[in-house]
Amino acid sequence: EAGVAQSPRYKIIEKRQSVAFWCNPISGHATLYWYQQILGQGPKLLIQFQNNGVVDDSQLPKDRFSAERLKGVDSTLKIQPAKLEDSAVYLCASSPDSSFSYNEQFFGPGTRLTVL
Amino acid sequence: AQKITQTQPGMFVQEKEAVTLDCTYDTSDQSYGLFWYKQPSSGEMIFLIYQGSYDEQNATEGRYSLNFQKARKSANLVISASQLGDSAMYFCAMREGYNNNDMRFGAGTRLTVKP
Repeated sequence: EAGVAQSPRYKIIEKRQSVAFWCNPISGHATLYWYQQILGQGPKLLIQFQNNGVVDDSQLPKDRFSAERLKGVDSTLKIQPAKLEDSAVYLCASSPDSSFSYNEQFFGPGTRLTVL
Repeated sequence: AQKITQTQPGMFVQEKEAVTLDCTYDTSDQSYGLFWYKQPSSGEMIFLIYQGSYDEQNATEGRYSLNFQKARKSANLVISASQLGDSAMYFCAMREGYNNNDMRFGAGTRLTVKP
């Protein structure tokens, strides 16, 4: 079974530029998550999709971050314009069903963003 | 308020010995799940073990076991017979309720296994 795919793996941009990340979850997984992991910290949830609808985006900085999951499969996360404090690893995860607390999340390799 | 607390920024263990990584949590929910993930230097988060709040027995998965003390709100990870490949960051996480999807992570513990 193929895992969660993310691209690019690394990205370096200057502040005020735009950047987009792509995620393809495990086939059949209804729920998709985007996390931000700042160096030295645990991942923080940015947004969660159930199929192609948003379940939770309370921690997404909506003035600069946006995400979509068209057709309920793969997803893109965009930052426009980027700030220095956006430097982090952006992790995508998926799970079969979000209805139960025991559902583990399967993570992709992440995209390491550096904003100069 | 901090939901998940991992008080050990770094731990060292000798190869083949056991090590315990601490995790305490804060919740008022009766139903919740506790997870441990491993994050090697490659960056990917690898699921290790799960403990449900209603589970009466401690969870075990191979060399991993979870020392669940509900009254003390602790969920420590025990790794037996440490291997060099166990060197990584370890994160404790919690998910509250049945339909609450927000998984909260601790700050992590960096484990180094010495040969």
